[in-house]
Amino acid sequence: DTEVTQTPKHLVMGMTNKKSLKCEQHMGHRAMYWYKQKAKKPPELMFVYSYEKLSINESVPSRFSPECPNSSLLNLHLHALQPEDSALYLCASSQVLREWSNQPQHFGDGTRLSIL
Amino acid sequence: RKEVEQDPGPFNVPEGATVAFNCTYSNSASQSFFWYRQDCRKEPKLLMSVYSSGNEDGRFTAQLNRASQYISLLIRDSKLSDSATYLCVVNRPSGGYQKVTFGTGTKLQVIP
Repeated sequence: DTEVTQTPKHLVMGMTNKKSLKCEQHMGHRAMYWYKQKAKKPPELMFVYSYEKLSINESVPSRFSPECPNSSLLNLHLHALQPEDSALYLCASSQVLREWSNQPQHFGDGTRLSIL
Repeated sequence: RKEVEQDPGPFNVPEGATVAFNCTYSNSASQSFFWYRQDCRKEPKLLMSVYSSGNEDGRFTAQLNRASQYISLLIRDSKLSDSATYLCVVNRPSGGYQKVTFGTGTKLQVIP
């Protein structure tokens, strides 16, 4: 069982819809991540929050909007997505994001998103 | 050249065989290393961290060669359930943070 919980497991939405992906962890981790993964490719980093502050944005289009309401929760708000945004969206957490930290990331089981 | 490279495979091996994967990294400042396994349409799961002295967990052995800048994963007595994609992950310090880089993954198929 994963210690990082993501909801929903599956999401189908039209290009004009607004929806949100949710992620929760109770391991006391202070770094949380959003990744996008296409079939047969490794995960691609989208955003990183460290101590509830957005620390890294990998030039992600503004139709993806992250939010970190508290240290346990991470959201990804979606609006006006394109068909090429269909993918598996993975949330991960790690203890901290500091430069010399050597802690691994723990992944949620993902949200499979399909854009019609 | 990619920062982290893996042979994509697939590696098709019979049950009971020993199989080894390598993962090379290009940045000598890389600091921490991990192996993950990912089953089809599932999330990556941490298999093991890779320590400088090498480490073993049951049938799995991980090694780090800093001089040649690669890590390896050895699986002994392969089981059907070992069939998955194995991702190496390399972390290095960057701008006050840890930059996390995934290899492209090596697919393993264990055959009865």
